[in-house]
Amino acid sequence: NAGVTQTPKFRILKIGQSMTLQCTQDMNHNYMYWYRQDPGMGLKLIYYSVGAGITDKGEVPNGYNVSRSTTEDFPLRLELAAPSQTSVYFCASSYSVGLNSGANVLTFGAGSRLTVL
Amino acid sequence: EDKVVQSPLSLVVHEGDTVTLNCSYEVTNFRSLLWYKQEKKAPTFLFMLTSSGIEKKSGRLSSILDKKELFSILNITATQTGDSAIYLCAGDSGGGADGLTFGKGTHLIIQP
Repeated sequence: NAGVTQTPKFRILKIGQSMTLQCTQDMNHNYMYWYRQDPGMGLKLIYYSVGAGITDKGEVPNGYNVSRSTTEDFPLRLELAAPSQTSVYFCASSYSVGLNSGANVLTFGAGSRLTVL
Repeated sequence: EDKVVQSPLSLVVHEGDTVTLNCSYEVTNFRSLLWYKQEKKAPTFLFMLTSSGIEKKSGRLSSILDKKELFSILNITATQTGDSAIYLCAGDSGGGADGLTFGKGTHLIIQP
């Protein structure tokens, strides 16, 4: 099993550019997440999805958008890149038994390091 | 607002030492506490703790939860250089997919 696959692994953007971080999982997990990790700051939730067609904002959603058209894919879109979005981004997934049940154990992708100059 | 605090934030020890990492939490409707190990890439799952006083063990790693005092510890005995990593703990409020609150992590460095 590939688990959670993120692309690209590294990217440098200029201020104002747009890009999409791709995330796909092959575990048939219903929950998917995007986190960002800044040095010494732990993981902050950007957006999450409890199933295809359902997305919601996390703690730090500003400047990002997501979609979930299939169970497998959960891309993260940056529309107008800003230096504050320089970070390492992690996609994750988990299986939970119902829409209002907890996150349970997350499986993470390898991360995408984004630099905005 | 839910809060998870880890200490120390960084720790340097020599190979063979035993280390204890701390995680205190204030999580509404607490359901479980999770520990992850993060080497150079993705965090990988270590333990999920839901009950007080029951130790979970995997090789040289063990963890226990105290739901009265709202903390957990992660112990690593006979440390090896491969244990060098950031150790993350997270509290789960069970309130939905956004119910996890992560601490800042403890950066553990094992010197040969």
